[in-house]
Amino acid sequence: TQLLEQSPQFLSIQEGENLTVYCNSSSVFSSLQWYRQEPGEGPVLLVTVVTGGEVKKLKRLTFQFGDARKDSSLHITAAQPGDTGLYLCAGLQGGSEKLVFGKGMKLTVNP
Amino acid sequence: DAGVTQSPTHLIKTRGQQVTLRCSPISGHKSVSWYQQVLGQGPQFIFQYYEKEERGRGNFPDRFSARQFPNYSSELNVNALLLGDSALYLCASSLDRVGAFGNQPQHFGDGTRLSIL
Repeated sequence: TQLLEQSPQFLSIQEGENLTVYCNSSSVFSSLQWYRQEPGEGPVLLVTVVTGGEVKKLKRLTFQFGDARKDSSLHITAAQPGDTGLYLCAGLQGGSEKLVFGKGMKLTVNP
Repeated sequence: DAGVTQSPTHLIKTRGQQVTLRCSPISGHKSVSWYQQVLGQGPQFIFQYYEKEERGRGNFPDRFSARQFPNYSSELNVNALLLGDSALYLCASSLDRVGAFGNQPQHFGDGTRLSIL
């Protein structure tokens, strides 16, 4: 059983479109991170959210942590080919040192 | 500044063999974590070491072991290799323990691609 479920798992869109990726769990997390991973490379941290209801923006990317700290979303506005990659959410439960990752969402943005 | 470096980048082994993977953290980082990423999946936590002590262990058999040296570099050892051990092994470093101050930012290396024949 996957502790963090990401949806969709795959997405292929045209440049300029908007998209939202979801990261859901039945468990509460003390914090949640989003990473982007390109082929042949390690994941790169995009954002950390720690407060329920928190919204963070990073240029065209908007991240939200659910009020109950069980879910998160990533919204990309006007996607560009450079946004192509594997988007991973990862959560940390209170008192734990184990970062739990979802399976990821593979995004392809076509020019 | 150098990022997290891992060696080797690629490795081919046969079943039953043993392997040692190496990781050098970013200068000043005291915590190193190891992850296994099977194709099509997210990374799975194996170990975290902080100040040379094991601080967390994932659901992996005892064939997996690790250690951290006084200079904070780390090695991951896997004995009696199985076909299912084929994966990308990622190392990540952070200034403090992963769970400190909310969630410490982790910096990942590009991994070691291990193939078992």
